[in-house]
Amino acid sequence: QVQLQQSGPGLVKPSQTLSLTCDISGDSVSSNSAAWNWIRQSPSRGLEWLGRTYYRSKWYNDYAEFVKSRITINPDTSKNQFSLQLNSVTPEDTAVYYCARDIAVATFDYWGQGTLVTVSS
Amino acid sequence: DIQMTQSPSSLSASVGDEVSFTCRASQSIASYLNWYQQKPGKAPKLLIYAASSLQGGVPSRFSGSGSGTDFTLTIFSLQPGDFATYYCQQSYSAPHTFGQGTKLEIK
Repeated sequence: QVQLQQSGPGLVKPSQTLSLTCDISGDSVSSNSAAWNWIRQSPSRGLEWLGRTYYRSKWYNDYAEFVKSRITINPDTSKNQFSLQLNSVTPEDTAVYYCARDIAVATFDYWGQGTLVTVSS
Repeated sequence: DIQMTQSPSSLSASVGDEVSFTCRASQSIASYLNWYQQKPGKAPKLLIYAASSLQGGVPSRFSGSGSGTDFTLTIFSLQPGDFATYYCQQSYSAPHTFGQGTKLEIK
């Protein structure tokens, strides 16, 4: 059974960096068949796919255009986890952030528990 | 980006009813359409993938259909645990956009 466990702060100041981690059990971040995603949800913007990291003989990343200049998703094979960093946050980045596994063509079959991140001074 | 539009935005029904929700894509996405169920305070749960394939462990009263731009999720014989919000999501091209959701409420 795959489980994704998220961790990270729930409050970030404007202009600072949002950082979250997703620990994977029951699968490997280096899997050749899965991709590891970050998705967020807010009342004003709904569910938004942010990006993913995946391994296919080498590491790849894909990012949504609207955050591409501010986002980094990194795998950590030693800890079997992946992380999200979102720079220069504003109150519009306030949302529940989820990590999720994508097993086939952006089909999200396992999700983390969600982390409410509030951007406020 | 491909826009996903769900209708209705909310729906009231009773236990035992059959309900259907629709999802329309702004361009053809073949059968690259997934449906999720979300309950308050929880992450979305995958119900249907590739428009009509039932995810493992999901009851057979959930059924998906459609291709191209128009898709339908049908729930036969509503159960108390089915009252939730339902989202469609296209997996045809990045960014993998979601619909705004249909909230299913108890009548």
